[in-house]
Amino acid sequence: DTGVSQDPRHKITKRGQNVTFRCDPISEHNRLYWYRQTLGQGPEFLTYFQNEAQLEKSRLLSDRFSAERPKGSFSTLEIQRTEQGDSAMYLCASSPPGLAPEGHEQFFGPGTRLTVL
Amino acid sequence: GQSLEQPSEVTAVEGAIVQINCTYQTSGFYGLSWYQQHDGGAPTFLSYNALDGLEETGRFSSFLSRSDSYGYLLLQELQMKDSASYFCAVRDWTGGGNKLTFGTGTQLKVEL
Repeated sequence: DTGVSQDPRHKITKRGQNVTFRCDPISEHNRLYWYRQTLGQGPEFLTYFQNEAQLEKSRLLSDRFSAERPKGSFSTLEIQRTEQGDSAMYLCASSPPGLAPEGHEQFFGPGTRLTVL
Repeated sequence: GQSLEQPSEVTAVEGAIVQINCTYQTSGFYGLSWYQQHDGGAPTFLSYNALDGLEETGRFSSFLSRSDSYGYLLLQELQMKDSASYFCAVRDWTGGGNKLTFGTGTQLKVEL
């Protein structure tokens, strides 16, 4: 399978614990995005990488959230001191280099569903 | 900032045609996209309009009017498998990135 993969698919944690999610984008895609989606809402942008550089981070993202893409390939998203409000589906997407329309289509992974108890 | 409005729910019968509207407000418009998401699944790209007019891809078409800040997704010959949520999204180049801002989605129910 050459699509975007995410691990784990489900995570249940207790409030206050740290969690880390991994995303493996499509191999030739240099752009990687993290989104968060809650029930009945559209995906909400969290952060964006071009290669290993984190170029944009949502103002909605608290300091408890951090993301890395150390070698420009896979990415990790860490949430420290989780809160119940962090419960959501965390989606990763990637897109190839180039301008629209080539760079416009984003390919989403299956997501990691986080439940904070 | 960006905001997008879509109807929350649309119901149609199999074989019919349905139109899902989207109005948007954005400070830097760079195209309107449509994504489909089945329950429990990942969003998948359907279409993209950067210029005014109609784009057709099989049973799906998408329209854009930049002067009206309005677009729609047209689904023809509806099938049961088309039951899903449909999101419009605008591309935002502020901050030098490529992020998408999504609407709240339209849940389409296709009935027999």
